[in-house]
Amino acid sequence: DAEITQSPRHKITETGRQVTLACHQTWNHNNMFWYRQDLGHGLRLIHYSYGVHDTNKGEVSDGYSVSRSNTEDLPLTLESAASSQTSVYFCASSAGYEQYFGPGTRLTVT
Amino acid sequence: AQSVTQLDSQVPVFEEAPVELRCNYSSSVSVYLFWYVQYPNQGLQLLLKYLSGSTLVKGINGFEAEFNKSQTSFHLRKPSVHISDTAEYFCAVRRSDKLIFGTGTRLQVFP
Repeated sequence: DAEITQSPRHKITETGRQVTLACHQTWNHNNMFWYRQDLGHGLRLIHYSYGVHDTNKGEVSDGYSVSRSNTEDLPLTLESAASSQTSVYFCASSAGYEQYFGPGTRLTVT
Repeated sequence: AQSVTQLDSQVPVFEEAPVELRCNYSSSVSVYLFWYVQYPNQGLQLLLKYLSGSTLVKGINGFEAEFNKSQTSFHLRKPSVHISDTAEYFCAVRRSDKLIFGTGTRLQVFP
């Protein structure tokens, strides 16, 4: 069965370090998204991509970057982790109206 | 700009009671609306969606929602909840292939 996976599931890092969160989907979807989930804010869009080599900024993109070198993967990089980036991160993919979500990565920045 | 408001951050309810989770949206154009459920420590799963047609939409696990254009609402309902329905519920509106989410409603079902 097709799926979307994220790794790691939990990560603790220090302020200032570079961190990369992986997202891999086997749906063969062109569209992929990264969200962060924080209490009282729901899910907010960080970056998204409509295909290989395409990337776009979302609502809360400062301090984050993505790259899309193939259809299956959209890694999210925190260039210099800050405590404000402690959150749960979700990756999603879609080829139509419905988005399919990964299980999430809980990131703690100390 | 489109936005989504979920009026209740928490809804406590006893098992087998009916429940309604409220969602209002703002939009001046055609809307596509969704309800997602998030069980503890899991990702989001689609409950139901409204794209067009009948304003009463049925989803998984016995949930349904009614699209009301005049009231710009898309409330989620279930006639009899179970303990297993305890979860976070998110309403979302689609804009240019992206989803705009509400802040979520925590449904807590008590025995």
